[in-house]
Amino acid sequence: GAVVSQHPSWVICKSGTSVKIECRSLDFQATTMFWYRQFPKQSLMLMATSNEGSKATYEQGVEKDKFLINHASLTLSTLTVTSAHPEDSSFYICSASQTGGYTEAFFGQGTRLTVV
Amino acid sequence: SQKIEQNSEALNIQEGKTATLTCNYTNYSPAYLQWYRQDPGRGPVFLLLIRENEKEKRKERLKVTFDTTLKQSLFHITASQPADSATYLCALGQSGGYNKLIFGAGTRLAVHP
Repeated sequence: GAVVSQHPSWVICKSGTSVKIECRSLDFQATTMFWYRQFPKQSLMLMATSNEGSKATYEQGVEKDKFLINHASLTLSTLTVTSAHPEDSSFYICSASQTGGYTEAFFGQGTRLTVV
Repeated sequence: SQKIEQNSEALNIQEGKTATLTCNYTNYSPAYLQWYRQDPGRGPVFLLLIRENEKEKRKERLKVTFDTTLKQSLFHITASQPADSATYLCALGQSGGYNKLIFGAGTRLAVHP
């Protein structure tokens, strides 16, 4: 089946620094990818829709200047957490689908971000 | 506001029994509903998709039902095995949304030998 690869799988950073997370669709092109965050024992919360060649669409309450999304190619979307703070510590996951709706979503392995 | 509810308590069952997980939603009219499995520290893995005009779908030991009147989906695992132990998530999607999914918090299933 299709594969979505996310990197890094975990990262520890200091408060105030920025962290970039990559999401790649390895064997298919994805014009749209999604970014989620997940706190322990909680739901995946949709953060934003990443659109190839255009600006991302952010969900209500998600700071676009804090969570920068770039979808520069049909196989790569990046999420940059800027000026990270301990409350940004979470599990970040991306997803992509081979076609539009009515199909399975393929998820990356997730990135565990710890801000100290 | 939109809300998706899944059993928050863990479901503990004996190996060989059927596990039934519930997903209820409010203030939402999904075009389709999906079930995913998530293991600790990993991304979700797709299991089944059912459309709003479908009542039931099966895949091997898995069965999902979808009642749009009750706004509920039931997910069944028959002949459960310890390897089925994981968290199961239901997700709702709408047509034209490029598979933009809204997830429930998940139900943790533990199958005991």
